[in-house]
Amino acid sequence: NAGVTQTPKFQVLKTGQSMTLQCAQDMNHEYMSWYRQDPGMGLRLIHYSVGAGITDQGEVPNGYNVSRSTTEDFPLRLLSAAPSQTSVYFCASSYHSPQGTGGTDTQYFGPGTRLTVL
Amino acid sequence: QKEVEQDPGPLSVPEGAIVSLNCTYSNSAFQYFMWYRQYSRKGPELLMYTYSSGNKEDGRFTAQVDKSSKYISLFIRDSQPSDSATYLCAMRRGSYIPTFGRGTSLIVHP
Repeated sequence: NAGVTQTPKFQVLKTGQSMTLQCAQDMNHEYMSWYRQDPGMGLRLIHYSVGAGITDQGEVPNGYNVSRSTTEDFPLRLLSAAPSQTSVYFCASSYHSPQGTGGTDTQYFGPGTRLTVL
Repeated sequence: QKEVEQDPGPLSVPEGAIVSLNCTYSNSAFQYFMWYRQYSRKGPELLMYTYSSGNKEDGRFTAQVDKSSKYISLFIRDSQPSDSATYLCAMRRGSYIPTFGRGTSLIVHP
């Protein structure tokens, strides 16, 4: 198992450019999430998905778009990059038991994408 | 006020010390409590998982949950330089996406 993979590892954009951060998992997990991590701010949830075709907003969704056409992939799109979107982005996936009671309901994180917007 | 509060540190201790990391929370509906460890330039990885109140021990690590006080702790015994990392607490209700604390940076110096 490769687990959760993210590409690219690093990216530099100019203000106004668009791009897609890729995330894939091979564990057949239903839940996938995107977080951004900024110094002193911890992990903040951007968008998440509870299954193919189902997405919802997290704490900081503005400026980002997601879709989930397959179980494996959950790309994050920056529509028009801004310097405030300079951050480290993490994708995570998890399995959720029906009652949410299992210890397997933990999140597995990818290695992150470091994005700088000039 | 954030749902989960965690002191960002840094916390600096000598090798061999007992480390105590803590989080407080405001949502009494949280049932599942996790601690993640994140090394520099890496993604977080699950360290400990606890359901409801009580203690859980795994090697040098002990997680405690006190739901009456809305307070969780992670203790590290005989701390090692390799324990130097950021520790994030996380908690959730049922099958909801977890809420994370800001993380505490721990430095264990030889």
